[in-house]
Amino acid sequence: DTAVSQTPKYLVTQMGNDKSIKCEQNLGHDTMYWYKQDSKKFLKIMFSYNNKELIINETVPNRFSPKSPDKAHLNLHINSLELGDSAVYFCASRRTGGNTEAFFGQGTRLTVV
Amino acid sequence: AQSVSQHNHHVILSEAASLELGCNYSYGGTVNLFWYVQYPGQHLQLLLKYFSGDPLVKGIKGFEAEFIKSKFSFNLRKPSVQWSDTAEYFCAVTDFLSGYSTLTFGKGTMLLVSP
Repeated sequence: DTAVSQTPKYLVTQMGNDKSIKCEQNLGHDTMYWYKQDSKKFLKIMFSYNNKELIINETVPNRFSPKSPDKAHLNLHINSLELGDSAVYFCASRRTGGNTEAFFGQGTRLTVV
Repeated sequence: AQSVSQHNHHVILSEAASLELGCNYSYGGTVNLFWYVQYPGQHLQLLLKYFSGDPLVKGIKGFEAEFIKSKFSFNLRKPSVQWSDTAEYFCAVTDFLSGYSTLTFGKGTMLLVSP
């Protein structure tokens, strides 16, 4: 039923660990995004994929690696987690082109201790 | 690159007061404009959108926004706010120049409505 689903919803982990967040959309969209929302609620785009190809890669440490096995999935893998990675990560999807809106997942609250 | 400015970081209103939240964007070409709302602890939900046509658009829950191309603005309004409108509000823009591939957000405005 859920249009854009992320797992897990909460993730608490220690510094130095590697973790993944999964995102799936059942809307038939061909563009997917990862956003990071910091403690001040600022939403910063991290990556954008179109038809499984990387379109946007903002200034993000290369410890973050997105993977899109197919158009419906965009997973985020993070290596060597740092305290500053603590944030809420949102996945979103939309149809490519103009006159379309983005749909967001529920978010994953990552806490690095 | 496109940028979005939201003028008010925090707004505090009493119930029944009128609301206007400012939003300005930088790129002046063909744009799609959005307002999203994030209730406490929840994900972003679309409030309203502008693609083309009538510059005054109506959204859910009594919200509306006006696109003024000459001012690069897309301000959000509501005549009478309710306590349940307490939330974070984000303006967002995508544009033709980027092939509509980016969706750039403003820094958000936290609205607190007191009963």
